[in-house]
Amino acid sequence: AQSVSQHNHHVILSEAASLELGCNYSYGGTVNLFWYVQYPGQHLQLLLKYFSGDPLVKGIKGFEAEFIKSKFSFNLRKPSVQWSDTAEYFCAVNPYNQGGKLIFGQGTELSVKP
Amino acid sequence: DAGITQSPRYKITETGRQVTLMCHQTWSHSYMFWYRQDLGHGLRLIYYSAAADITDKGEVPDGYVVSRSKTENFPLTLESATRSQTSVYFCATGQGAAEAFFGQGTRLTVV
Repeated sequence: AQSVSQHNHHVILSEAASLELGCNYSYGGTVNLFWYVQYPGQHLQLLLKYFSGDPLVKGIKGFEAEFIKSKFSFNLRKPSVQWSDTAEYFCAVNPYNQGGKLIFGQGTELSVKP
Repeated sequence: DAGITQSPRYKITETGRQVTLMCHQTWSHSYMFWYRQDLGHGLRLIYYSAAADITDKGEVPDGYVVSRSKTENFPLTLESATRSQTSVYFCATGQGAAEAFFGQGTRLTVV
């Protein structure tokens, strides 16, 4: 079945550590890719998105993601995390041939220790 | 102007009752979505709509009904609520393949 997979369910880091969250998808063809963040008790907010062009995209708050087409991956990175980055992170895929349909991964909970 | 408003924010209902969750947007976005968020499952798409009077099933549509007679409203109805439908429900809007904007969510408990 077509899906979006996030391999890390819960990641615990200390402040200033580097972060990489994995995301793989199984849709063939062209896709739009997104990372969303959900801070505790809040709704989802867009971190960054990839539609085309440079496969390395930069988002808000120092986050970036790299699209590797051959690996069907869109991993999220941040060189140095802060306590305020504690949140749940969701990868999402919009397959071109499915209109505006947006499919999410299971989410990764990030806990940053001060 | 809240952009996207979900109501109620919290709801407790009994098994077997019908309940409707409301979603209203002021942006005139063509797409609207309903997701449920459950621990360990992330967000799962229930139904979505590309325009008024056009709706389609998502990943987990069973037990839910939607309608969209006006662009700005996209209500989600649980015809006969079950405990397995206890969840947090998010409505979202978007313009085609662009980013989706999410409401604050409705926390539904079925007892």
